[in-house]
Amino acid sequence: QQQVKQSPQSLIVQKGGISIINCAYENTAFDYFPWYQQFPGKGPALLIAIRPDVSEKKEGRFTISFNKSAKQFSLHIMDSQPGDSATYFCAANSGYALNFGKGTSLLVTP
Amino acid sequence: DTGVSQDPRHKITKRGQNVTFRCDPISEHNRLYWYRQTLGQGPEFLTYFQNEAQLEKSRLLSDRFSAERPKGSFSTLEIQRTEQGDSAMYLCASSLNHAGETQYFGPGTRLLVL
Repeated sequence: QQQVKQSPQSLIVQKGGISIINCAYENTAFDYFPWYQQFPGKGPALLIAIRPDVSEKKEGRFTISFNKSAKQFSLHIMDSQPGDSATYFCAANSGYALNFGKGTSLLVTP
Repeated sequence: DTGVSQDPRHKITKRGQNVTFRCDPISEHNRLYWYRQTLGQGPEFLTYFQNEAQLEKSRLLSDRFSAERPKGSFSTLEIQRTEQGDSAMYLCASSLNHAGETQYFGPGTRLLVL
């Protein structure tokens, strides 16, 4: 079964807007939560990651918010740009295997 | 470029044929992972190595699949008697020798089984 549930499946945002993608998990053994960005025909590239001892991490325009009690985490892309158009995957790790969500296809319109 | 590399990038084969893919990890990384990604889905874990030892295998890895990492450097993934359901992107990743370390992915090998 899907260990990490991701929503929405697709998202359209205007240039300059905020893109928000949400993920939820059940396994409390997960202790590392990365977000990956993937362009068509390419492998996933790490965007930003968080561990459960912090509630928020920001790197440039990208922010992860983490709610340990709710077992939810989200990615916020501020000032979204057309170049951000890609598929975004959340994931969770408890030792070796990354458990990925199904992905969110983001389109940023000019 | 010192990232993860995979070869070939694309492979078309006929059902029943055997195929082999190669992955070269980032040089100082001890852990190497194989994932499979089908269209519209996230990558799914297949197996991983710590140095030359294969430590975990997913239930997705049927007996037609075999992976090796003979000298703890590059790895190969072989699929015997390919089936149309094997068509997917096969991704390799590597990481340092700690649980929870960032996994860096290669560009993948796109397999199409006719």
